[in-house]
Amino acid sequence: GQQLNQSPQSMFIQEGEDVSMNCTSSSIFNTWLWYKQDPGEGPVLLIALYKAGELTSNGRLTAQFGITRKDSFLNISASIPSDVGIYFCAGQGTYKYIFGTGTRLKVLA
Amino acid sequence: NAGVTQTPKFQVLKTGQSMTLQCAQDMNHEYMSWYRQDPGMGLRLIHYSVGAGITDQGEVPNGYNVSRSTTEDFPLRLLSAAPSQTSVYFCASSLTGLGYNEQFFGPGTRLTVL
Repeated sequence: GQQLNQSPQSMFIQEGEDVSMNCTSSSIFNTWLWYKQDPGEGPVLLIALYKAGELTSNGRLTAQFGITRKDSFLNISASIPSDVGIYFCAGQGTYKYIFGTGTRLKVLA
Repeated sequence: NAGVTQTPKFQVLKTGQSMTLQCAQDMNHEYMSWYRQDPGMGLRLIHYSVGAGITDQGEVPNGYNVSRSTTEDFPLRLLSAAPSQTSVYFCASSLTGLGYNEQFFGPGTRLTVL
């Protein structure tokens, strides 16, 4: 099945550092979404992007919807220990959400 | 609101056994879906429903059946379990499946098939 290419697969960073991850697709999506998953739980929505070129922030998180509608990135500024988890991008088509393979983030205090 | 609930949390099956994973939501959402999550694979859509009585296949539907007799419930049936179905299963719901409406995920069911 189709999946989005998400990179990097994993990251180890020091507390206070900024983080960047991105997601690319061969298909166009009308909506891009970024989720975070904590161990043993379901994903939780962080940011939703609705328009090509849109840049949206949610606290220390910033995400952009690529102009071509085939990519998106997520930045986390000044990382803290609770940022640990798996981050997923997702593209929404008609009635279907396609997820990326995830970026596993570990923050070293 | 309880949100999206899933039962059981854990399940071990033998090859060939059948079982039903339960999913319920109390938010009056029209759209519900099932995903499986395997290591390094992200979430893959199994089946989805846009309303009571309407279901459709996702990316990986083989080996799974669904039905939607009420707005609240969307059970996932494994007719004859196989080791390849060992995974974590998530149910999700949103107001509709069109435009953007936030999807809410349940806590997951961890299934092992021996």
